[in-house]
Amino acid sequence: DTGVSQDPRHKITKRGQNVTFRCDPISEHNRLYWYRQTLGQGPEFLTYFQNEAQLEKSRLLSDRFSAERPKGSFSTLEIQRTEQGDSAMYLCASSLVGQLGETQYFGPGTRLLVL
Amino acid sequence: AQTVTQSQPEMSVQEAETVTLSCTYDTSESDYYLFWYKQPPSRQMILVIRQEAYKQQNATENRFSVNFQKAAKSFSLKISDSQLGDAAMYFCAYRSGDSGYALNFGKGTSLLVTP
Repeated sequence: DTGVSQDPRHKITKRGQNVTFRCDPISEHNRLYWYRQTLGQGPEFLTYFQNEAQLEKSRLLSDRFSAERPKGSFSTLEIQRTEQGDSAMYLCASSLVGQLGETQYFGPGTRLLVL
Repeated sequence: AQTVTQSQPEMSVQEAETVTLSCTYDTSESDYYLFWYKQPPSRQMILVIRQEAYKQQNATENRFSVNFQKAAKSFSLKISDSQLGDAAMYFCAYRSGDSGYALNFGKGTSLLVTP
């Protein structure tokens, strides 16, 4: 049973560039979540999918951010025209609908640095 | 929106001793879940323990236990027989049982374990 994986683990980019991150959830999990974590803070919710449907987006998810989960398996998070304020750890998590408490299992994260 | 407060930015404990990390939350809901997650330095977040609000019995997982006081909206984590490997950031998190699946995290408590 493999856990949640994320790629890349680290990304350095210049302001104004676009970046895309990938998340592969635990294979049987049908919910997938994206969070952002800045230094010294707890993770903040961005969005989540149930299968391929994006069901909730937070106010943190500006128009420059877009997430997809085209076949209900892996997901991508794209940030367009990156800004220095986008520098953070981007965490992905997955869970199984109907599991008691529906615990979310986290991946190792993608650390983004915008220069 | 529900808020989660961890009032101890840092805590220190000696190996083999017991330490308690505090967490309070604000909600008007009756159905919800509470979690403690551990995030070691440069490593991924892992679940420590989960508590369902409808359960009166406090959850326990080996050396980890919680003191869940629903009326006081308090959810503290007790770590017994502390080990060097327990050193990490600990995050308390809340999830609604009625509206949405996003986790709301506190700012975390950094636990130092000294030999």
